[in-house]
Amino acid sequence: DTAVSQTPKYLVTQMGNDKSIKCEQNLGHDTMYWYKQDSKKFLKIMFSYNNKELIINETVPNRFSPKSPDKAHLNLHINSLELGDSAVYFCASSQVQIRDTGELFFGEGSRLTVL
Amino acid sequence: KQEVTQIPAALSVPEGENLVLNCSFTDSAIYNLQWFRQDPGKGLTSLLLIQSSQREQTSGRLNASLDKSSGRSTLYIAASQPGDSATYLCAAHKKTGDYKLSFGAGTTVTVRA
Repeated sequence: DTAVSQTPKYLVTQMGNDKSIKCEQNLGHDTMYWYKQDSKKFLKIMFSYNNKELIINETVPNRFSPKSPDKAHLNLHINSLELGDSAVYFCASSQVQIRDTGELFFGEGSRLTVL
Repeated sequence: KQEVTQIPAALSVPEGENLVLNCSFTDSAIYNLQWFRQDPGKGLTSLLLIQSSQREQTSGRLNASLDKSSGRSTLYIAASQPGDSATYLCAAHKKTGDYKLSFGAGTTVTVRA
């Protein structure tokens, strides 16, 4: 069973389009994240949700809108796509409580290419 | 703001040599520190996690140490193999508030057969 799964794995689209990436975790974790990995391979956090509540919102254009319908899902919707949005987007989850390790589990990534 | 630095950025060694990868962080108030491996075009695989109260963790040929007072962690890989070639990332997990995980830029390792 895949612990953190993202779809789609690859996404090629034109500038100006709107697209979504979905993420689901079956680990029972309370916290989920979206990370962006740019062409230089640097991982930068975008958003984090804890029990469906937004707790981290880094300096991300408001064209990016996360949505957490329940604590097992965190989707990422991107409006008006730009060339600079081309990257690999990773979803992750963890359980950060006193008795938990806080270990982060990552999905396989969604490679977005904007033409 | 937590800043995580990994040195060196790239490392090439002959097979059998031991690897030493360094990670430093600026804020010692961490929940844990985690080491990941990333193969080209793939996701991140967790290798070792060291809780803030621990000094080291071991798994097979891998050993990671943590020194919070100096803001350093080191990943040792014994008797390297070509299959160890990958990018290794460390990440420091913030202790309070938003529990943000801050990543280093990674060390890309090549083990030559």
